[in-house]
Amino acid sequence: QSALTQPASVSGSPGQSITISCTGTSSDVGGYNYVSWYQQHPGKAPKLMIYDVSSRPSGVSNRFSGSKSGNMASLTISGLQAEDEADYYCSSYTSSSTLVFGTGTKVTVL
Amino acid sequence: QVQLVESGGGLVKPGGSLRLSCEASGVTFSDYYMSWIRQAPGKGLEWVSYISRNANIIYYADSVKGRFTISRDNAKNSLYLQMNSLRAEDTAVYYCARFASGSSAWYFDYWGQGTLVTVSS
Repeated sequence: QSALTQPASVSGSPGQSITISCTGTSSDVGGYNYVSWYQQHPGKAPKLMIYDVSSRPSGVSNRFSGSKSGNMASLTISGLQAEDEADYYCSSYTSSSTLVFGTGTKVTVL
Repeated sequence: QVQLVESGGGLVKPGGSLRLSCEASGVTFSDYYMSWIRQAPGKGLEWVSYISRNANIIYYADSVKGRFTISRDNAKNSLYLQMNSLRAEDTAVYYCARFASGSSAWYFDYWGQGTLVTVSS
């Protein structure tokens, strides 16, 4: 199972919006609405930010939103803040009944 | 509150074995699918394995199939990962994570702090 493809890095200024893409295949991202997104700060465990493509867990800021079109999912962070600087990973359920993560994206707040 | 605490990591030689444990608290452990996920130093997350509530459904990543065995003891609120024939590329922080509740909850809502496994001679 190959990792989902994400851009290595994305940057933006405070207050701006950024979007992180997550590209898979019809056997994972495109085949199921089971895409989730995780935020990871250095030395910390990942934190769930989005599940089932676009649902947000309680306690997660509404500045984070998710979407999907075909084999590509996206995470948008609006009103970028310094605390959003972290690594972000997408994940999807697959047709093999397994899970696959994305390659990860480093978000930098300029 | 839900807590997942991993243990058992350490330094092991190539070809060696190690058993990781994850103890859950603040949760009815037997109600949840559980999983192991790893992260090599400076690298991304890699899903390793998951196990169903009563251990009748188990899946592994191709990279560990035949070498790693996931198991659980619901009476002890514990998840395990037996790792055999270890290779240098298995060096990583290993996280225990809980799948959210629900029949189609294919995402992790709680993670442990991780335990480091280093495979080196």
